[in-house]
Amino acid sequence: NAGVTQTPKFRILKIGQSMTLQCTQDMNHNYMYWYRQDPGMGLKLIYYSVGAGITDKGEVPNGYNVSRSTTEDFPLRLELAAPSQTSVYFCASSEYYEQYFGPGTRLTVT
Amino acid sequence: GESVGLHLPTLSVQEGDNSIINCAYSNSASDYFIWYKQESGKGPQFIIDIRSNMDKRQGQRVTVLLNKTVKHLSLQIAATQPGDSAVYFCAENTNAGKSTFGDGTTLTVKP
Repeated sequence: NAGVTQTPKFRILKIGQSMTLQCTQDMNHNYMYWYRQDPGMGLKLIYYSVGAGITDKGEVPNGYNVSRSTTEDFPLRLELAAPSQTSVYFCASSEYYEQYFGPGTRLTVT
Repeated sequence: GESVGLHLPTLSVQEGDNSIINCAYSNSASDYFIWYKQESGKGPQFIIDIRSNMDKRQGQRVTVLLNKTVKHLSLQIAATQPGDSAVYFCAENTNAGKSTFGDGTTLTVKP
């Protein structure tokens, strides 16, 4: 199993641009999550999903959107990128409690 | 409570010493706890877990202690090695699928 994969690994965006961060898991997990982690800080939950077709906001959802059309995929959309969205983004999945994290996407907005 | 804007606490230990990382959790109804390790440039990874009906669990070189009375978790690492340098997060759970992560502690091991 590849586990949780994320693309791209790195991206530089200009202010106002949009992009989609991709996340795929091959463990057939129902739960999936998006977190952001600013330098030297903890994890903040952006959005999560309890299954295909069901998503909900986390702690910091503003400026982001998600969809979950399949069990495997949980893309995160950034609209009108702002410098405050410069961060490392982690996708994770779980069956019960333990979360499996992807390697992260490092995003810089300038 | 929330610690928005605060950098992670740090712990510096000498190689070979024991390390103790502490975590205060917020929900007295939490019944399952996990410690994660995040190495530089990587996502967090599971280290050890403990259920609320236990007060101690041991793994390989790691021990987790749970004190439900004061809502406190600790992670003890025996004979700390340079490879243990990382950020350590605790997570509390009341339901499957939803974890609340602590702020994290940065552990630095000096050779």
